Amino acid sequence: EAGVTQSPRYAVLQEGQAVSFWCDPISGHDTLYWYQQPRDQGPQLLVYFRDEAVIDNSQLPSDRFSAVRPKGTNSTLKIQSAKQGDTATYLCASSLTGVSGNTLYFGEGSRLIVV
Amino acid sequence: AQSVTQPDARVTVSEGASLQLRCKYSYSATPYLFWYVQYPRQGLQMLLKYYSGDPVVQGVNGFEAEFSKSDSSFHLRKASVHWSDSAVYFCAVSATGGYKVVFGSGTRLLVSP
Repeated sequence: EAGVTQSPRYAVLQEGQAVSFWCDPISGHDTLYWYQQPRDQGPQLLVYFRDEAVIDNSQLPSDRFSAVRPKGTNSTLKIQSAKQGDTATYLCASSLTGVSGNTLYFGEGSRLIVV
Repeated sequence: AQSVTQPDARVTVSEGASLQLRCKYSYSATPYLFWYVQYPRQGLQMLLKYYSGDPVVQGVNGFEAEFSKSDSSFHLRKASVHWSDSAVYFCAVSATGGYKVVFGSGTRLLVSP
């Protein structure tokens, strides 16, 4: 069974540029999460979906960050006008509702450096 | 809202020694509790989880954790660590029936030879 796939693995931007991160969850998983992990910190939830619906995006900086999951499978996280404070690893995770008690399966992450 | 505190940012132990990594949670009901490990340049992997039943749960690679409702804790233990256990360990909590999983700040474990 394929795991969670993320791309690109690395991105280096200048302030003001935009970037999109893509996530392919485990096949059949209905819940998808995006976390931001600054260096030497724990993952911080940005947004999560069940199927194509946003369940909670309260921690997503809505003015510059957006996330979609249009068909309830793959997802894209976009950062517009990036700032140095956005430097972090962006983690995607998926899970299957009602199975294994909210066990999350993570991708390897997309590391963003904003200079 | 649920939250997790990992009071030790770094722990160093000698190879073969025992290990305890501390985790305190905050949640009004009985939560789902997890320990995840993150090896360098890899994604997080679940070690073990607890929801109900025996308060001591066994995980992979000889890890176990003990749930204490009275202490609001879920400490991770291992009887004898190996150098390959060097990694960052995260405690996490989820509300019963909820999807939101909240992580602690992590404890970096260094196993010295």
